[in-house]
Amino acid sequence: QVQLQESGPGLVKPSETLSLTCTVSGGSMTNYYWSWLRQPPGKGLEWIGSMYYSGSINYNPSLQSRVTISVDTSKNQFSLKVTSLTAADTAVYYCARSRGFFSYWGQGTLVTVSS
Amino acid sequence: EIVLTQSPGTLSLSPGERATLSCRASQSVSGSHLAWYQQKPAQAPRLLIYDASSRATGIPDRFSGSGSGTDFTLTISRLEPEDFAVYYCQQYGSSPWTFGPGTKVEIK
Repeated sequence: QVQLQESGPGLVKPSETLSLTCTVSGGSMTNYYWSWLRQPPGKGLEWIGSMYYSGSINYNPSLQSRVTISVDTSKNQFSLKVTSLTAADTAVYYCARSRGFFSYWGQGTLVTVSS
Repeated sequence: EIVLTQSPGTLSLSPGERATLSCRASQSVSGSHLAWYQQKPAQAPRLLIYDASSRATGIPDRFSGSGSGTDFTLTISRLEPEDFAVYYCQQYGSSPWTFGPGTKVEIK
Protein backbone atom coordinates (compact mmCIF):
# COMPACT_ATOMS: atom_id res chain seq x y z
CA GLN A 1 0.00 0.00 0.00
CA VAL A 2 1.44 3.34 -1.08
CA GLN A 3 1.85 5.85 1.75
CA LEU A 4 2.91 9.49 1.63
CA GLN A 5 4.06 11.64 4.55
CA GLU A 6 4.67 15.38 4.53
CA SER A 7 7.32 16.97 6.74
CA GLY A 8 8.36 20.55 7.36
CA PRO A 9 7.81 23.55 9.61
CA GLY A 10 4.38 24.38 10.96
CA LEU A 11 5.09 28.08 11.35
CA VAL A 12 6.90 30.41 8.97
CA LYS A 13 7.30 34.17 8.92
CA PRO A 14 5.92 36.47 6.22
CA SER A 15 8.30 37.05 3.28
CA GLU A 16 10.23 33.85 4.10
CA THR A 17 10.42 30.61 2.08
CA LEU A 18 8.50 27.45 2.92
CA SER A 19 10.18 24.09 2.31
CA LEU A 20 8.23 20.85 2.58
CA THR A 21 9.23 17.27 1.82
CA CYS A 22 7.04 14.28 1.02
CA THR A 23 8.38 10.78 1.65
CA VAL A 24 6.87 7.95 -0.40
CA SER A 25 6.77 4.38 0.89
CA GLY A 26 5.23 1.13 -0.32
CA GLY A 27 5.72 1.75 -4.01
CA SER A 28 7.93 3.01 -6.79
CA MET A 29 7.98 6.65 -7.92
CA THR A 30 8.28 5.72 -11.58
CA ASN A 31 5.43 6.27 -14.05
CA TYR A 32 3.55 8.73 -11.88
CA TYR A 33 3.22 12.45 -11.32
CA TRP A 34 4.03 13.66 -7.82
CA SER A 35 1.95 16.61 -6.74
CA TRP A 36 1.40 19.27 -4.13
CA LEU A 37 -1.98 20.75 -3.21
CA ARG A 38 -3.19 23.01 -0.44
CA GLN A 39 -6.39 23.85 1.42
CA PRO A 40 -6.79 27.08 3.44
CA PRO A 41 -8.68 26.55 6.71
CA GLY A 42 -12.39 26.08 6.01
CA LYS A 43 -11.94 26.45 2.24
CA GLY A 44 -11.58 24.34 -0.87
CA LEU A 45 -8.69 22.58 -2.57
CA GLU A 46 -6.05 24.19 -4.80
CA TRP A 47 -3.60 22.32 -7.00
CA ILE A 48 -0.08 23.81 -6.72
CA GLY A 49 1.87 21.74 -9.22
CA SER A 50 3.02 18.30 -10.34
CA MET A 51 6.30 16.77 -11.43
CA TYR A 52 6.68 13.57 -13.44
CA TYR A 53 9.23 11.15 -12.00
CA SER A 54 11.49 11.78 -15.00
CA GLY A 55 11.50 15.54 -14.49
CA SER A 56 8.81 17.23 -16.61
CA ILE A 57 6.82 19.68 -14.54
CA ASN A 58 3.54 21.59 -14.55
CA TYR A 59 2.65 24.45 -12.21
CA ASN A 60 -0.57 26.30 -11.47
CA PRO A 61 -0.06 29.70 -13.17
CA SER A 62 -1.48 31.42 -10.07
CA LEU A 63 1.56 30.29 -8.06
CA GLN A 64 4.16 29.55 -10.74
CA SER A 65 6.37 32.56 -10.01
CA ARG A 66 6.84 31.52 -6.35
CA VAL A 67 6.87 27.71 -6.47
CA THR A 68 9.49 25.03 -7.14
CA ILE A 69 8.87 21.27 -7.06
CA SER A 70 11.68 18.74 -7.22
CA VAL A 71 11.84 14.94 -7.12
CA ASP A 72 14.59 12.66 -5.77
CA THR A 73 13.69 9.12 -6.78
CA SER A 74 16.82 7.72 -5.09
CA LYS A 75 15.42 8.83 -1.73
CA ASN A 76 11.75 8.24 -2.64
CA GLN A 77 11.07 11.88 -1.85
CA PHE A 78 9.79 15.00 -3.53
CA SER A 79 9.80 18.57 -2.30
CA LEU A 80 8.01 21.90 -2.49
CA LYS A 81 9.42 25.40 -2.04
CA VAL A 82 7.20 28.48 -1.87
CA THR A 83 8.84 31.89 -1.69
CA SER A 84 7.64 35.33 -0.53
CA LEU A 85 5.06 33.95 1.87
CA THR A 86 2.04 35.95 3.04
CA ALA A 87 -0.84 35.17 5.36
CA ALA A 88 -2.81 34.02 2.30
CA ASP A 89 -0.45 31.04 2.05
CA THR A 90 -1.67 29.69 5.40
CA ALA A 91 -3.14 26.28 4.59
CA VAL A 92 -2.96 22.54 5.02
CA TYR A 93 -0.44 21.37 2.42
CA TYR A 94 -0.92 17.90 0.92
CA CYS A 95 1.36 15.78 -1.19
CA ALA A 96 -0.22 13.26 -3.54
CA ARG A 97 0.46 10.71 -6.26
CA SER A 98 -1.34 11.56 -9.45
CA ARG A 99 -2.18 10.68 -13.00
CA GLY A 100 -4.24 13.82 -13.41
CA PHE A 101 -6.51 12.64 -10.62
CA PHE A 102 -5.00 12.25 -7.15
CA SER A 103 -5.10 8.63 -6.05
CA TYR A 104 -2.98 8.63 -2.91
CA TRP A 105 -2.65 11.52 -0.44
CA GLY A 106 -0.51 12.34 2.54
CA GLN A 107 -2.29 13.22 5.78
CA GLY A 108 -1.52 16.91 5.24
CA THR A 109 0.51 19.38 7.25
CA LEU A 110 -0.78 22.74 8.50
CA VAL A 111 1.49 25.65 7.64
CA THR A 112 0.75 28.96 9.32
CA VAL A 113 2.35 32.16 8.02
CA SER A 114 2.65 34.61 10.88
CA SER A 115 5.23 36.79 12.55
CA GLU B 1 -8.84 27.91 -16.80
CA ILE B 2 -11.86 25.65 -16.39
CA VAL B 3 -14.12 26.79 -13.54
CA LEU B 4 -16.16 24.06 -11.84
CA THR B 5 -19.47 24.83 -10.12
CA GLN B 6 -21.04 22.33 -7.74
CA SER B 7 -24.67 22.19 -6.68
CA PRO B 8 -26.27 22.17 -4.29
CA GLY B 9 -23.92 23.73 -1.76
CA THR B 10 -25.46 21.63 0.99
CA LEU B 11 -27.61 18.51 0.71
CA SER B 12 -29.62 17.46 3.78
CA LEU B 13 -30.65 13.82 3.61
CA SER B 14 -31.35 10.82 5.85
CA PRO B 15 -29.43 7.52 5.88
CA GLY B 16 -30.80 5.19 3.21
CA GLU B 17 -31.77 8.03 0.87
CA ARG B 18 -30.29 8.66 -2.58
CA ALA B 19 -27.89 11.58 -3.06
CA THR B 20 -27.38 13.29 -6.42
CA LEU B 21 -24.52 15.81 -6.66
CA SER B 22 -23.88 17.99 -9.70
CA CYS B 23 -20.66 19.41 -11.12
CA ARG B 24 -20.81 21.80 -14.06
CA ALA B 25 -17.75 23.01 -16.00
CA SER B 26 -17.31 26.41 -17.65
CA GLN B 27 -16.10 24.62 -20.80
CA SER B 28 -16.01 21.06 -22.01
CA VAL B 29 -13.75 18.74 -19.98
CA SER B 30 -11.42 16.98 -22.38
CA GLY B 31 -11.63 13.20 -22.38
CA SER B 32 -14.20 13.29 -19.54
CA HIS B 33 -11.20 13.67 -17.27
CA LEU B 34 -13.22 14.40 -14.18
CA ALA B 35 -12.77 12.96 -10.68
CA TRP B 36 -14.78 13.00 -7.45
CA TYR B 37 -13.38 13.03 -3.91
CA GLN B 38 -14.84 12.63 -0.43
CA GLN B 39 -13.39 14.59 2.47
CA LYS B 40 -14.23 14.19 6.14
CA PRO B 41 -13.17 16.69 8.84
CA ALA B 42 -9.42 16.72 9.56
CA GLN B 43 -8.78 14.08 6.87
CA ALA B 44 -7.23 14.19 3.43
CA PRO B 45 -9.56 13.83 0.47
CA ARG B 46 -10.24 10.29 -0.76
CA LEU B 47 -10.54 9.48 -4.46
CA LEU B 48 -13.94 7.98 -5.32
CA ILE B 49 -14.34 8.26 -9.10
CA TYR B 50 -11.98 9.05 -11.99
CA ASP B 51 -12.55 9.45 -15.73
CA ALA B 52 -16.11 10.52 -14.85
CA SER B 53 -17.42 7.01 -14.16
CA SER B 54 -14.64 4.64 -13.05
CA ARG B 55 -14.67 3.71 -9.37
CA ALA B 56 -11.34 3.87 -7.56
CA THR B 57 -9.96 0.79 -5.83
CA GLY B 58 -11.99 -0.22 -2.77
CA ILE B 59 -14.87 2.21 -3.36
CA PRO B 60 -18.30 0.65 -2.70
CA ASP B 61 -20.62 0.27 -5.69
CA ARG B 62 -23.23 2.57 -4.11
CA PHE B 63 -21.02 5.38 -5.48
CA SER B 64 -21.38 6.00 -9.20
CA GLY B 65 -20.37 8.78 -11.57
CA SER B 66 -21.76 9.84 -14.91
CA GLY B 67 -21.63 12.66 -17.41
CA SER B 68 -19.53 14.17 -20.16
CA GLY B 69 -18.76 17.52 -21.72
CA THR B 70 -19.72 20.13 -19.14
CA ASP B 71 -22.19 18.26 -16.91
CA PHE B 72 -21.24 15.53 -14.45
CA THR B 73 -23.05 13.78 -11.62
CA LEU B 74 -22.03 11.78 -8.56
CA THR B 75 -24.77 9.51 -7.22
CA ILE B 76 -24.77 7.73 -3.87
CA SER B 77 -27.54 5.15 -4.19
CA ARG B 78 -28.24 4.63 -0.47
CA LEU B 79 -26.51 6.84 2.06
CA GLU B 80 -24.63 5.09 4.83
CA PRO B 81 -23.74 6.96 8.06
CA GLU B 82 -20.09 7.17 6.95
CA ASP B 83 -21.04 8.94 3.68
CA PHE B 84 -21.89 12.26 5.34
CA ALA B 85 -18.98 14.45 4.24
CA VAL B 86 -17.92 17.09 1.72
CA TYR B 87 -17.58 16.03 -1.91
CA TYR B 88 -15.37 17.77 -4.48
CA CYS B 89 -15.16 17.38 -8.23
CA GLN B 90 -11.87 18.00 -10.07
CA GLN B 91 -11.03 18.26 -13.75
CA TYR B 92 -7.70 17.16 -15.20
CA GLY B 93 -8.52 17.53 -18.87
CA SER B 94 -6.61 20.79 -19.18
CA SER B 95 -4.08 22.65 -17.11
CA PRO B 96 -4.41 24.13 -14.58
CA TRP B 97 -6.19 21.24 -12.90
CA THR B 98 -9.06 22.73 -10.92
CA PHE B 99 -11.51 21.76 -8.19
CA GLY B 100 -15.11 22.68 -7.55
CA PRO B 101 -16.05 24.42 -4.29
CA GLY B 102 -17.60 21.28 -2.81
CA THR B 103 -21.02 19.95 -1.79
CA LYS B 104 -21.62 19.14 1.87
CA VAL B 105 -23.87 16.13 2.46
CA GLU B 106 -25.28 16.45 5.96
CA ILE B 107 -27.63 14.38 8.07
CA LYS B 108 -31.20 15.64 7.98
